[in-house]
Amino acid sequence: ETGVTQTPRHLVMGMTNKKSLKCEQHLGHNAMYWYKQSAKKPLELMFVYNFKEQTENNSVPSRFSPECPNSSHLFLHLHTLQPEDSALYLCASSQEWGAYNEQFFGPGTRLTVL
Amino acid sequence: AQKITQTQPGMFVQEKEAVTLDCTYDTSDQSYGLFWYKQPSSGEMIFLIYQGSYDEQNATEGRYSLNFQKARKSANLVISASQLGDSAMYFCAMRERPNQFYFGTGTSLTVIP
Repeated sequence: ETGVTQTPRHLVMGMTNKKSLKCEQHLGHNAMYWYKQSAKKPLELMFVYNFKEQTENNSVPSRFSPECPNSSHLFLHLHTLQPEDSALYLCASSQEWGAYNEQFFGPGTRLTVL
Repeated sequence: AQKITQTQPGMFVQEKEAVTLDCTYDTSDQSYGLFWYKQPSSGEMIFLIYQGSYDEQNATEGRYSLNFQKARKSANLVISASQLGDSAMYFCAMRERPNQFYFGTGTSLTVIP
């Protein structure tokens, strides 16, 4: 596999469910990101991991919990979500966070919260 | 205030013609980076082109060029010789030090045969 992969591609969950999104990058990058893309709104940066350490948490509610066990894998654990959390969740990676490196994105997980 | 403004929600262009997608940005930093991404209907964002704030030359990548006007804080994307495969959403983004990355709301481009 090459590039950035995300699973699942589609997820429907109830507000009381617990689920996890998975991201894997095969590019040898050191920084990974979670973004939320809602309709008609700019892409929102949620979390940044650089060399497995979380460097940014942009005021994301605690019902979203990221995990980065190594530089190649990134998870987003979801629990007690709200319908307004329905969106496309994009994972990205780049060489490192501190420089102006372009980010490479995965195909996203389309999340629907009922 | 919006960090990145893309005022064209939708654009149409004839195949083989050139098209300009507008982007203005807001920053008080001297050092920043500007990016353009393409998002086809499949969902993934594809990096197109990058311009650093200190770069004096406009960036070019194949059919893509970035018209960088620093004083006006604009970073328009020019696509030459449009192809049907160029139909997609296009996002302008800015990397500001130390720790932020902002995207615009995007422009939907449709290439007409």
